[in-house]
Amino acid sequence: GQSLEQPSEVTAVEGAIVQINCTYQTSGFYGLSWYQQHDGGAPTFLSYNALDGLEETGRFSSFLSRSDSYGYLLLQELQMKDSASYFCAVRADYGQNFVFGPGTRLSVLP
Amino acid sequence: DTGVSQDPRHKITKRGQNVTFRCDPISEHNRLYWYRQTLGQGPEFLTYFQNEAQLEKSRLLSDRFSAERPKGSFSTLEIQRTEQGDSAMYLCASSLASSTGNEQFFGPGTRLTVL
Repeated sequence: GQSLEQPSEVTAVEGAIVQINCTYQTSGFYGLSWYQQHDGGAPTFLSYNALDGLEETGRFSSFLSRSDSYGYLLLQELQMKDSASYFCAVRADYGQNFVFGPGTRLSVLP
Repeated sequence: DTGVSQDPRHKITKRGQNVTFRCDPISEHNRLYWYRQTLGQGPEFLTYFQNEAQLEKSRLLSDRFSAERPKGSFSTLEIQRTEQGDSAMYLCASSLASSTGNEQFFGPGTRLTVL
């Protein structure tokens, strides 16, 4: 079977740094994506890691360790607009079947 | 607005009726995906097209669901004999096959309510 685990909720204050973890058990692995979704909105792409290591894009960074079946999304200099749900998604086969995690709801407090 | 549009945005139907949703992807995108999302959950993969070919379909997908992309542009998702358990947000996404980051652009979704 395929399963991804994420914390259900994370709370932090403006300006802080927060890390959202994702562990996965899938039949195969070809990459890990992260998406942000605001309430009532569509998911928007944040990052993709196919190889081990850290990828940085502005205030957001994503990390992958394939040997540990683990990744995380790091959000720095948190802003109120970062309050949203964050999903990790694994590309579990050579095709395009992406398995999404249950999501982590991030609340940023003033 | 990602450039992916879906129609209708909301659909209320009675159990047993058939419904059809439309997705218009970003024009140059050759890949198109359908997902289903229920409250508090991540999107669940349903099916995927590259151009007009349906290349993958979820093993969990009921035979009541069918999707088409006849000319490799827009796509339709039909649900026959709807059940209350079909109530969900149906999301469409598109991407470029050449995209190294596998970035998918999602549409706003069609919210289906089955009474």
